[in-house]
Amino acid sequence: GAGVSQSPSNKVTEKGKDVELRCDPISGHTALYWYRQSLGQGLEFLIYFQGNSAPDKSGLPSDRFSAERTGGSVSTLTIQRTQQEDSAVYLCASSSLRTGRHEQYFGPGTRLTVT
Amino acid sequence: GESVGLHLPTLSVQEGDNSIINCAYSNSASDYFIWYKQESGKGPQFIIDIRSNMDKRQGQRVTVLLNKTVKHLSLQIAATQPGDSAVYFCAEKAGYALNFGKGTSLLVTP
Repeated sequence: GAGVSQSPSNKVTEKGKDVELRCDPISGHTALYWYRQSLGQGLEFLIYFQGNSAPDKSGLPSDRFSAERTGGSVSTLTIQRTQQEDSAVYLCASSSLRTGRHEQYFGPGTRLTVT
Repeated sequence: GESVGLHLPTLSVQEGDNSIINCAYSNSASDYFIWYKQESGKGPQFIIDIRSNMDKRQGQRVTVLLNKTVKHLSLQIAATQPGDSAVYFCAEKAGYALNFGKGTSLLVTP
């Protein structure tokens, strides 16, 4: 079956511009997560969506970052006024909490480069 | 603060040997752990998980060991193959999200 997909796979933008990153989770998965991975580092949690509940935004590094999830499926991560330190791979994951398991299935990521 | 970390940043093994990747965690309340494999240019791929009420769990060619006394987690890969070359992350469940370590790079040499 289809896994988590993300688009674009690569994005190069100029400092100060806004960017939107898209995530399509696995069909039927109610939980969706965004992480950021800087070069040679582990994954940094950004935001979590579960069903129609209010998202957990505790990991967002600044108010330039926001995310939404429409219809309980597709999610968009928006970074406004991008800075060079925003350069990283942005990973989306989804999981089905109904199974009682906690494993998250990751997409291939979007590599963001801010010049 | 609480953290998950790895003992060694890189590990080189010969094809056919067994690999052991170690991970230390500091949150004694953690009740769930996962190992992920990440190949270059790809997202992390689930390998195996373990709950804190278990000491050992086996999968296909992989075994995860959990020592709660010393807060240590390890991933054992039997008969390591070139396709096992990747970065391996341990992660602990932290609320809804996962708290990841920095990763160990495993290089399998012929």
